Amino acid sequence: GAVVSQHPSRVICKSGTSVKIECRSLDFQATTMFWYRQFPKQSLMLMATSNEGSKATYEQGVEKDKFLINHASLTLSTLTVTSAHPEDSSFYICSARDRASNQPQHFGDGTRLSIL
Amino acid sequence: TQLLEQSPQFLSIQEGENLTVYCNSSSVFSSLQWYRQEPGEGPVLLVTVVTGGEVKKLKRLTFQFGDARKDSSLHITAAQPGDTGLYLCAGATGGTSYGKLTFGQGTILTVHP
Repeated sequence: GAVVSQHPSRVICKSGTSVKIECRSLDFQATTMFWYRQFPKQSLMLMATSNEGSKATYEQGVEKDKFLINHASLTLSTLTVTSAHPEDSSFYICSARDRASNQPQHFGDGTRLSIL
Repeated sequence: TQLLEQSPQFLSIQEGENLTVYCNSSSVFSSLQWYRQEPGEGPVLLVTVVTGGEVKKLKRLTFQFGDARKDSSLHITAAQPGDTGLYLCAGATGGTSYGKLTFGQGTILTVHP
């Protein structure tokens, strides 16, 4: 079945560091990928929609200069948390849609980001 | 902004009991998905409902989509400890059945042996 790989699965770093998270569709092409943020025991909150070859669409309240998204190929989208601070600590999850089929989004296994 | 109200937020029951989780909205969705998520993992799709009034069954799980495609329910019969997890409903918008998703708040289910 369709697989979305997210890397790294866990990051612990100091305040002020920029962190890049990768989301790859392993066996399908994804024109659109989505980035979510999830706090403990809460639901997923959509941050942005990543479109291959064009600028990402950010949800209201999400700082585009803080969360840089690049979707340079049909199988890879990256989310960079710039100058991360402790309040950016969260579980970040990506999902991808197979452009060739009318199927639901496939989710990655998430990245646990901890900023000290 | 489309909202999806999911309830209850927490559910703690004994093995063998039945339960129902609800998702309600004032908006119409092109489809609605139900997911289950384990700690530290991504959501796993359980089912998608597309047609108003649709009912789908997955072993002990029964999913229903409201006639107006604004609400949905998940019913679990004879719950087991293995059913413990976070259950999420998500409505799709954007003109396609599987576009941008709006998630409900989630239901944390704990089934005690």
